Amino acid sequence: DAKTTQPTSMDCAEGRAANLPCNHSTISGNEYVYWYRQIHSQGPQYIIHGLKNNETNEMASLIITEDRKSSTLILPHATLRDTAVYYCIVRVADPYNFGGSQGNLIFGKGTKLSVKP
Amino acid sequence: KAGVTQTPRYLIKTRGQQVTLSCSPISGHRSVSWYQQTPGQGLQFLFEYFSETQRNKGNFPGRFSGRQFSNSRSEMNVSTLELGDSALYLCASSLVGGTGTYEQYFGPGTRLTVT
Repeated sequence: DAKTTQPTSMDCAEGRAANLPCNHSTISGNEYVYWYRQIHSQGPQYIIHGLKNNETNEMASLIITEDRKSSTLILPHATLRDTAVYYCIVRVADPYNFGGSQGNLIFGKGTKLSVKP
Repeated sequence: KAGVTQTPRYLIKTRGQQVTLSCSPISGHRSVSWYQQTPGQGLQFLFEYFSETQRNKGNFPGRFSGRQFSNSRSEMNVSTLELGDSALYLCASSLVGGTGTYEQYFGPGTRLTVT
C-alpha cells in the first residue's frame, strides 16, 4: 500500500501557484519523498525529490516539514499544461545498497490538479 | 539523451493469445521496471530487472514474465491473455551506481487491448 495521503483533486487558476500537499507520517529516516506527475495517457514524469531540505528545480519546489511527516509540492506559475495527476511517493533513495530493499515505486491515487484559465 | 522507448505503442490481441512488449532504457541506465496501469487498480508494479536478473516482483500471476538482456533492454511477456489484462503497460529505467538517488524515468507506455 502507498505510504502517502493526498487530496483527491485540486483546482488552480492559470498563472497562480499550485500547492499540492502530501502526508507521509510513517516515513523512515532513509526514505526520500519523490513527486511524479502523469498527464493523461502518458507515462509518469519525474518532477523532484528530497530528503529533509527544501529542494527546487526548473519544474517545481519541494517543501518538507521539519518532522518530515508532510511535504508540499509547489508549481510557482501553473499553466494549462500542468493539468495532470500528481503522485507523492516515499522510497529509499538507494535501493541497491539496502540489501534487497524494493526499488519499485508504490503509487497511490494521487491528486488530480486542474489548472483553469 | 534519448528517453525510454517502448514498442509497440498500441496493440490489440484476442483472449488466449500471448504478447511480448519491449522496452529500451535510457542509455547508461541498467535497471528496468515494469508497471501496469488500469482505471480500476491504478499504477501497479510488475517486476524489476537489474543486470539481467529479476530483483523484485509484484503481485501478479505467473502469466506475466519478463527478462532483461545484456544491453539492458527488457521485454515482458503475458501468456494466455485475459480481458482484464487490457491496460497501459509502462516501463521505467533508472541509473544504478554512484551516488545518485535512482529516480525512475518512464516511457510512453504500450496500450494493450484484449478482445
